[in-house]
Amino acid sequence: KAGVTQTPRYLIKTRGQQVTLSCSPISGHRSVSWYQQTPGQGLQFLFEYFSETQRNKGNFPGRFSGRQFSNSRSEMNVSTLELGDSALYLCASSLGWANTEAFFGQGTRLTVV
Amino acid sequence: DAKTTQPPSMDCAEGRAANLPCNHSTISGNEYVYWYRQIHSQGPQYIIHGLKNNETNEMASLIITEDRKSSTLILPHATLRDTAVYYCIARRRSGGGADGLTFGKGTHLIIQP
Repeated sequence: KAGVTQTPRYLIKTRGQQVTLSCSPISGHRSVSWYQQTPGQGLQFLFEYFSETQRNKGNFPGRFSGRQFSNSRSEMNVSTLELGDSALYLCASSLGWANTEAFFGQGTRLTVV
Repeated sequence: DAKTTQPPSMDCAEGRAANLPCNHSTISGNEYVYWYRQIHSQGPQYIIHGLKNNETNEMASLIITEDRKSSTLILPHATLRDTAVYYCIARRRSGGGADGLTFGKGTHLIIQP
């Protein structure tokens, strides 16, 4: 079956702009989590959505937001981009809420200039 | 999630077994041991998990000590494509911590030709 699909794969944005990233989970999976990965901080949890509701949230400012649709696809939005938001953004799909067995997409590489 | 400790790096010759250790001395009875790996610039990949019995799948074997305070991931015949950062996580199977998966720094396994 198809894996987790993230689009776009690469993105370059200017400081102050906003960006929307998309994630399509594995068919049948109802949970989508988002992570940010930078060389300095490693993999950090942003938030998790399950059944269209945000269930968990990491320690990120309100500029980072997300949503999940009825077909379990998810989007995450970052507003007022800063240089420090440059990172690999990863989406993970799971069957249920807060499952430890998760399947990750290839990520979206965001560069803010 | 229980704290895990892994060596920062390891080398292994191609074709040999790679044995990656993980210490999780504070693991609680309902926490499983999970292993993920991340090949450069890709999303993390789930490898295997176990509670107390040894486990094997097509990718690897997981050996958990009887007291569950440590475990070893075994890649039986390492190839160059196994070069990656390997993460050990000790966590409940579902409904775990509110902060997503905690990956730590992992072990950078380098397979030498």
